[in-house]
Amino acid sequence: ETGVTQSPTHLIKTRGQQVTLRCSSQSGHNTVSWYQQALGQGPQFIFQYYREEENGRGNFPPRFSGLQFPNYSSELNVNALELDDSALYLCASSPPGTSPRDNEQFFGPGTRLTVL
Amino acid sequence: SQQGEEDPQALSIQEGENATMNCSYKTSINNLQWYRQNSGRGLVHLILIRSNEREKHSGRLRVTLDTSKKSSSLLITASRAADTASYFCATEVSGGYNKLIFGAGTRLAVHP
Repeated sequence: ETGVTQSPTHLIKTRGQQVTLRCSSQSGHNTVSWYQQALGQGPQFIFQYYREEENGRGNFPPRFSGLQFPNYSSELNVNALELDDSALYLCASSPPGTSPRDNEQFFGPGTRLTVL
Repeated sequence: SQQGEEDPQALSIQEGENATMNCSYKTSINNLQWYRQNSGRGLVHLILIRSNEREKHSGRLRVTLDTSKKSSSLLITASRAADTASYFCATEVSGGYNKLIFGAGTRLAVHP
């Protein structure tokens, strides 16, 4: 089975710009979560999408938004970039609830965003 | 805010030794998971322990969970240089729609 993939791998933007990060979920997974990981910290939950709807959100401002598509892939959009948005952005997918491993999340390799 | 707190923040051992990492959390959980991360890249799932379980094994890994103390430990036995990585505990909180709350991690260095 194909794992979770993310693009791009690295990205450099300047303050005030907008960015879109992409994630393809693992085959058969219908839930996608996004996390932000600052250097030296653990990942922090941004939001989760289930069946194309936002299904929970962490403590992030509205300039962080997302989409999930019918094939369960997802995008994370960040507007008006700030220097503190520099981080590794991780996408994770999880299978439908009937799976015996339904609580496990499978992470992609991440996109490293640098804001100058 | 981060619910989990790992201890120690950093651990340096020799190959063949055991490594123990601890995690504490604050609220009721559905399960607790341990992940490994190499060089700031993606997270690899190691083991999941549900709130009604007390101990779980997977290969050289042993995880314990004490819900009364809101704490967990990860033991890696007979460590290898390839185990060098950051280790994170993550809790799925009760009613938390599969959201994971991570601690800051333990950086493990295993020297040949």
